[in-house]
Amino acid sequence: GAVVSQHPSRVICKSGTSVKIECRSLDFQATTMFWYRQFPKKSLMLMATSNEGSKATYEQGVEKDKFLINHASLTLSTLTVTSAHPEDSSFYICSASPGEWEKLFFGSGTQLSVL
Amino acid sequence: GQNIDQPTEMTATEGAIVQINCTYQTSGFNGLFWYQQHAGEAPTFLSYNVLDGLEEKGRFSSFLSRSKGYSYLLLKELQMKDSASYLCAVKDSNYQLIWGAGTKLIIKP
Repeated sequence: GAVVSQHPSRVICKSGTSVKIECRSLDFQATTMFWYRQFPKKSLMLMATSNEGSKATYEQGVEKDKFLINHASLTLSTLTVTSAHPEDSSFYICSASPGEWEKLFFGSGTQLSVL
Repeated sequence: GQNIDQPTEMTATEGAIVQINCTYQTSGFNGLFWYQQHAGEAPTFLSYNVLDGLEEKGRFSSFLSRSKGYSYLLLKELQMKDSASYLCAVKDSNYQLIWGAGTKLIIKP
Protein backbone atom coordinates (compact mmCIF):
# COMPACT_ATOMS: atom_id res chain seq x y z
CA GLY A 1 0.00 0.00 0.00
CA ALA A 2 0.86 3.65 -0.28
CA VAL A 3 3.38 4.98 2.23
CA VAL A 4 4.02 8.47 3.52
CA SER A 5 7.31 9.06 5.27
CA GLN A 6 7.71 11.91 7.77
CA HIS A 7 10.96 13.01 9.33
CA PRO A 8 12.04 13.69 12.03
CA SER A 9 9.80 11.84 14.45
CA ARG A 10 10.84 13.92 17.43
CA VAL A 11 12.48 17.32 17.81
CA ILE A 12 13.51 19.20 20.91
CA CYS A 13 14.69 22.74 20.25
CA LYS A 14 15.32 26.02 21.96
CA SER A 15 12.91 28.91 21.72
CA GLY A 16 13.66 31.12 18.73
CA THR A 17 15.08 28.42 16.48
CA SER A 18 13.47 27.14 13.30
CA VAL A 19 12.52 23.54 12.70
CA LYS A 20 11.95 21.85 9.35
CA ILE A 21 9.74 18.78 8.99
CA GLU A 22 9.78 16.72 5.79
CA CYS A 23 6.95 14.69 4.34
CA ARG A 24 7.49 12.33 1.43
CA SER A 25 5.10 10.14 -0.53
CA LEU A 26 7.20 7.06 -1.25
CA ASP A 27 5.26 5.20 -3.93
CA PHE A 28 2.81 7.66 -5.38
CA GLN A 29 2.77 11.24 -6.61
CA ALA A 30 0.87 13.73 -4.51
CA THR A 31 -0.05 17.07 -6.00
CA THR A 32 -1.63 17.88 -2.68
CA MET A 33 -0.40 17.16 0.83
CA PHE A 34 -1.97 18.18 4.11
CA TRP A 35 -0.40 19.36 7.32
CA TYR A 36 -2.20 18.76 10.60
CA ARG A 37 -1.53 19.74 14.16
CA GLN A 38 -2.76 17.78 17.15
CA PHE A 39 -2.75 18.72 20.81
CA PRO A 40 -2.89 16.01 23.47
CA LYS A 41 -6.23 14.24 23.59
CA LYS A 42 -7.60 16.47 20.83
CA SER A 43 -8.52 15.70 17.26
CA LEU A 44 -6.58 16.61 14.16
CA MET A 45 -6.59 20.25 13.18
CA LEU A 46 -5.90 21.01 9.54
CA MET A 47 -3.27 23.73 9.31
CA ALA A 48 -2.73 24.01 5.59
CA THR A 49 -3.03 22.33 2.24
CA SER A 50 0.25 22.10 0.39
CA ASN A 51 -0.01 22.37 -3.39
CA GLU A 52 2.85 21.29 -5.65
CA GLY A 53 4.20 24.21 -7.61
CA SER A 54 2.04 26.85 -5.97
CA LYS A 55 1.44 28.53 -2.64
CA ALA A 56 -0.05 26.62 0.22
CA THR A 57 -3.60 27.26 1.34
CA TYR A 58 -3.73 28.05 5.05
CA GLU A 59 -6.67 27.52 7.35
CA GLN A 60 -8.10 30.45 9.23
CA GLY A 61 -6.01 31.41 12.22
CA VAL A 62 -2.81 29.72 10.99
CA GLU A 63 0.05 32.18 10.47
CA LYS A 64 1.58 31.61 7.05
CA ASP A 65 4.77 33.45 8.02
CA LYS A 66 5.12 31.28 11.08
CA PHE A 67 4.49 27.95 9.38
CA LEU A 68 6.26 27.99 6.03
CA ILE A 69 5.22 25.27 3.61
CA ASN A 70 7.12 24.33 0.49
CA HIS A 71 5.91 21.66 -1.93
CA ALA A 72 8.91 21.45 -4.19
CA SER A 73 8.07 18.23 -5.99
CA LEU A 74 5.25 15.74 -6.41
CA THR A 75 6.69 13.62 -3.60
CA LEU A 76 7.99 16.13 -1.08
CA SER A 77 6.46 18.80 1.11
CA THR A 78 8.19 20.56 3.99
CA LEU A 79 6.82 22.47 6.95
CA THR A 80 9.16 24.92 8.67
CA VAL A 81 8.19 26.25 12.06
CA THR A 82 10.01 29.57 12.19
CA SER A 83 11.19 31.17 15.43
CA ALA A 84 9.56 28.42 17.45
CA HIS A 85 8.08 29.19 20.85
CA PRO A 86 6.86 26.86 23.60
CA GLU A 87 3.26 27.29 22.47
CA ASP A 88 4.26 25.73 19.13
CA SER A 89 4.99 22.48 20.93
CA SER A 90 2.63 19.94 19.43
CA PHE A 91 2.31 16.81 17.33
CA TYR A 92 2.53 17.65 13.63
CA ILE A 93 1.28 15.13 11.06
CA CYS A 94 1.39 15.24 7.30
CA SER A 95 -0.81 13.26 4.97
CA ALA A 96 -1.30 12.70 1.28
CA SER A 97 -3.66 10.92 -1.05
CA PRO A 98 -3.08 9.42 -4.50
CA GLY A 99 -6.36 10.99 -5.65
CA GLU A 100 -9.49 12.81 -4.54
CA TRP A 101 -11.47 9.57 -4.15
CA GLU A 102 -8.64 7.83 -2.35
CA LYS A 103 -8.07 7.56 1.38
CA LEU A 104 -5.51 9.67 3.17
CA PHE A 105 -2.22 8.13 4.14
CA PHE A 106 -0.49 9.65 7.11
CA GLY A 107 3.11 10.17 8.00
CA SER A 108 4.23 8.91 11.37
CA GLY A 109 4.09 12.39 12.88
CA THR A 110 6.62 14.73 14.46
CA GLN A 111 6.51 15.55 18.15
CA LEU A 112 7.92 19.05 18.53
CA SER A 113 8.98 20.26 21.96
CA VAL A 114 10.17 23.85 22.25
CA LEU A 115 12.01 24.67 25.45
CA GLY B 1 -21.56 25.04 9.32
CA GLN B 2 -20.07 21.61 8.95
CA ASN B 3 -20.16 19.28 11.89
CA ILE B 4 -19.17 15.75 12.80
CA ASP B 5 -20.38 14.31 16.11
CA GLN B 6 -19.10 11.22 17.85
CA PRO B 7 -18.96 10.23 21.52
CA THR B 8 -15.94 11.44 23.42
CA GLU B 9 -15.20 8.20 25.21
CA MET B 10 -16.48 4.65 25.41
CA THR B 11 -15.55 1.68 27.55
CA ALA B 12 -15.92 -1.98 26.60
CA THR B 13 -14.78 -5.40 27.78
CA GLU B 14 -12.22 -7.60 26.10
CA GLY B 15 -13.93 -10.11 23.82
CA ALA B 16 -17.12 -8.07 23.55
CA ILE B 17 -18.58 -5.97 20.73
CA VAL B 18 -18.71 -2.18 20.62
CA GLN B 19 -20.39 0.24 18.22
CA ILE B 20 -19.06 3.75 17.77
CA ASN B 21 -21.54 6.14 16.19
CA CYS B 22 -20.86 9.16 14.01
CA THR B 23 -23.36 11.70 12.73
CA TYR B 24 -22.51 14.40 10.24
CA GLN B 25 -23.83 17.57 8.66
CA THR B 26 -21.65 18.63 5.76
CA SER B 27 -21.91 20.59 2.55
CA GLY B 28 -22.04 17.66 0.20
CA PHE B 29 -20.77 14.14 0.68
CA ASN B 30 -17.99 12.28 -1.05
CA GLY B 31 -17.32 9.46 1.33
CA LEU B 32 -16.86 8.72 5.01
CA PHE B 33 -13.69 7.38 6.57
CA TRP B 34 -12.84 5.76 9.86
CA TYR B 35 -9.30 5.95 11.21
CA GLN B 36 -7.68 4.43 14.27
CA GLN B 37 -5.15 6.40 16.24
CA HIS B 38 -3.06 5.05 19.10
CA ALA B 39 -1.67 7.59 21.55
CA GLY B 40 1.38 9.37 20.16
CA GLU B 41 1.01 7.83 16.72
CA ALA B 42 -0.44 8.94 13.41
CA PRO B 43 -3.90 7.74 12.34
CA THR B 44 -4.20 4.56 10.32
CA PHE B 45 -6.96 3.84 7.84
CA LEU B 46 -9.72 1.43 8.86
CA SER B 47 -12.61 1.80 6.43
CA TYR B 48 -14.26 3.84 3.71
CA ASN B 49 -17.98 4.07 2.91
CA VAL B 50 -19.43 6.00 0.00
CA LEU B 51 -22.62 3.99 -0.60
CA ASP B 52 -25.26 3.02 1.95
CA GLY B 53 -24.80 -0.25 3.71
CA LEU B 54 -22.35 -2.30 5.66
CA GLU B 55 -18.70 -2.83 4.79
CA GLU B 56 -17.09 -5.71 6.62
CA LYS B 57 -13.36 -6.16 7.05
CA GLY B 58 -12.38 -8.82 9.52
CA ARG B 59 -13.29 -7.84 13.07
CA PHE B 60 -14.19 -4.32 11.96
CA SER B 61 -17.33 -3.28 10.07
CA SER B 62 -18.57 0.15 9.08
CA PHE B 63 -22.11 1.18 8.20
CA LEU B 64 -23.39 4.22 6.35
CA SER B 65 -26.79 5.83 5.89
CA ARG B 66 -26.46 8.93 3.75
CA SER B 67 -30.11 9.92 4.17
CA LYS B 68 -29.65 9.99 7.94
CA GLY B 69 -26.16 11.45 7.92
CA TYR B 70 -25.10 8.55 10.09
CA SER B 71 -22.35 5.98 10.28
CA TYR B 72 -21.10 3.52 12.82
CA LEU B 73 -17.95 1.50 13.31
CA LEU B 74 -18.49 -1.94 14.79
CA LEU B 75 -15.63 -3.73 16.50
CA LYS B 76 -16.06 -7.41 17.34
CA GLU B 77 -14.05 -9.74 19.56
CA LEU B 78 -12.38 -6.79 21.21
CA GLN B 79 -8.71 -7.08 22.06
CA MET B 80 -6.67 -4.95 24.42
CA LYS B 81 -4.76 -3.54 21.44
CA ASP B 82 -8.02 -2.03 20.17
CA SER B 83 -7.72 0.60 22.90
CA ALA B 84 -7.25 3.74 20.82
CA SER B 85 -9.05 6.78 19.49
CA TYR B 86 -11.35 6.26 16.52
CA LEU B 87 -11.77 9.18 14.17
CA CYS B 88 -14.70 9.68 11.82
CA ALA B 89 -14.09 11.94 8.82
CA VAL B 90 -16.27 13.02 5.89
CA LYS B 91 -15.20 14.38 2.50
CA ASP B 92 -17.41 17.28 1.56
CA SER B 93 -18.39 18.56 -1.88
CA ASN B 94 -14.94 20.16 -2.28
CA TYR B 95 -13.24 16.88 -1.31
CA GLN B 96 -12.09 18.49 1.93
CA LEU B 97 -11.89 16.12 4.86
CA ILE B 98 -13.94 17.21 7.85
CA TRP B 99 -12.81 15.46 11.03
CA GLY B 100 -14.72 14.46 14.12
CA ALA B 101 -13.06 14.97 17.49
CA GLY B 102 -12.53 11.24 17.88
CA THR B 103 -13.83 8.62 20.28
CA LYS B 104 -11.44 7.28 22.87
CA LEU B 105 -12.14 3.57 23.32
CA ILE B 106 -11.01 1.96 26.56
CA ILE B 107 -10.88 -1.82 26.67
CA LYS B 108 -11.00 -3.50 30.07
CA PRO B 109 -9.97 -7.11 30.77
